Amino acid sequence: AAGVIQSPRHLIKEKRETATLKCYPIPRHDTVYWYQQGPGQDPQFLISFYEKMQSDKGSIPDRFSAQQFSDYHSELNMSSLELGDSALYFCASSLGSGRQETQYFGPGTRLLVL
Amino acid sequence: AQRVTQPEKLLSVFKGAPVELKCNYSYSGSPELFWYVQYSRQRLQLLLRHISRESIKGFTADLNKGETSFHLKKPFAQEEDSAMYYCALSPNTGNQFYFGTGTSLTVIP
Repeated sequence: AAGVIQSPRHLIKEKRETATLKCYPIPRHDTVYWYQQGPGQDPQFLISFYEKMQSDKGSIPDRFSAQQFSDYHSELNMSSLELGDSALYFCASSLGSGRQETQYFGPGTRLLVL
Repeated sequence: AQRVTQPEKLLSVFKGAPVELKCNYSYSGSPELFWYVQYSRQRLQLLLRHISRESIKGFTADLNKGETSFHLKKPFAQEEDSAMYYCALSPNTGNQFYFGTGTSLTVIP
């Protein structure tokens, strides 16, 4: 069965550069979530989209922005990267945005900021 | 504030022995609790959720509201159970998830 796809799997950037992470949800899923997991930390919820509209917002820095496109894929744009942005970024998708909906996670994009 | 605590970062058991991965939470409402598993080099995937009260791969978890716990148990561990296990909480409002820091389970042959 198709799963959530994240691209790229690994990314290395330097401070003050920009990065774009992509997430392709499971077919027919209309909701996408972004999480950030720093080394040795809990995964932290960043932002979610339902039907191309932002549905919830967590601890996403102002330097980051995200959107969901007409084909339901989502992109997380990160500008003015800082060393502390180095983390594993998970994307998850679900069908529907209610709390009963199971989220299916992608493999993550590991970002390293030098 | 919501918080999920998994007190054990690492847990090793012998094959065939019982295993229990602890999860405690703090939340004032009625959350939904989940266990997610991540096998080596694979994506995070749902193992079970408390509202379904099901047993997946021999694992069960009971929500104890008095103790605010959602421990994951299996009577006889198998080598293929070696993985990273995350306990997660979803509040009764919104659709966010709050994850614990995970417990790495190693089943020794």
